[in-house]
Amino acid sequence: AQSVSQHNHHVILSEAASLELGCNYSYGGTVNLFWYVQYPGQHLQLLLKYFSGDPLVKGIKGFEAEFIKSKFSFNLRKPSVQWSDTAEYFCAVNEDNNAGNMLTFGGGTRLMVKP
Amino acid sequence: DAGVTQSPTHLIKTRGQQVTLRCSPKSGHDTVSWYQQALGQGPQFIFQYYEEEERQRGNFPDRFSGHQFPNYSSELNVNALLLGDSALYLCASSEGQGNTEAFFGQGTRLTVV
Repeated sequence: AQSVSQHNHHVILSEAASLELGCNYSYGGTVNLFWYVQYPGQHLQLLLKYFSGDPLVKGIKGFEAEFIKSKFSFNLRKPSVQWSDTAEYFCAVNEDNNAGNMLTFGGGTRLMVKP
Repeated sequence: DAGVTQSPTHLIKTRGQQVTLRCSPKSGHDTVSWYQQALGQGPQFIFQYYEEEERQRGNFPDRFSGHQFPNYSSELNVNALLLGDSALYLCASSEGQGNTEAFFGQGTRLTVV
């Protein structure tokens, strides 16, 4: 069975600091990878996704993530965070088997950006 | 274009009761998935419906059941509620059974007392 680990449960940064949130998954086959964000009081929204091709993917709001297959990792980065990035971030994985898109989520990382 | 809508937004039930939650998918989407998000945790997959059939199921007991209607909307039913069923229940819709993006609703907050 797949599992997803997000090692940082809570992160506090000042505005303009750089961000990197870790995500590791366990699954031996081909996977698709996602980062979702949940702003306070809002629904889960997709930040970015990786299906194939360039392992460095760019998403909305200046976020990017790098898929390193040898490390089973898909870390999320942003060079300079803003107060509005305060939210909870979830990494998710599904098997690339065209049999549905069941997502396995990590436990989430709660980011607080201080103004 | 409406996104994924869920009803009700909040619900309080007593142990042993039954509950039905509802979901309307995003326009153009025919696949609906349900997730349970306990406090402080990531969403956990319950099951997925496509063409009115359950296609995939996560590690949830038979007390959790669902249905998909011809208009692609869906219901999640939970019988014999336990205190541990208290959670945010999320509905996600997508197009087809391939690797497509899932769009989430705002969820139904269920509290079991």
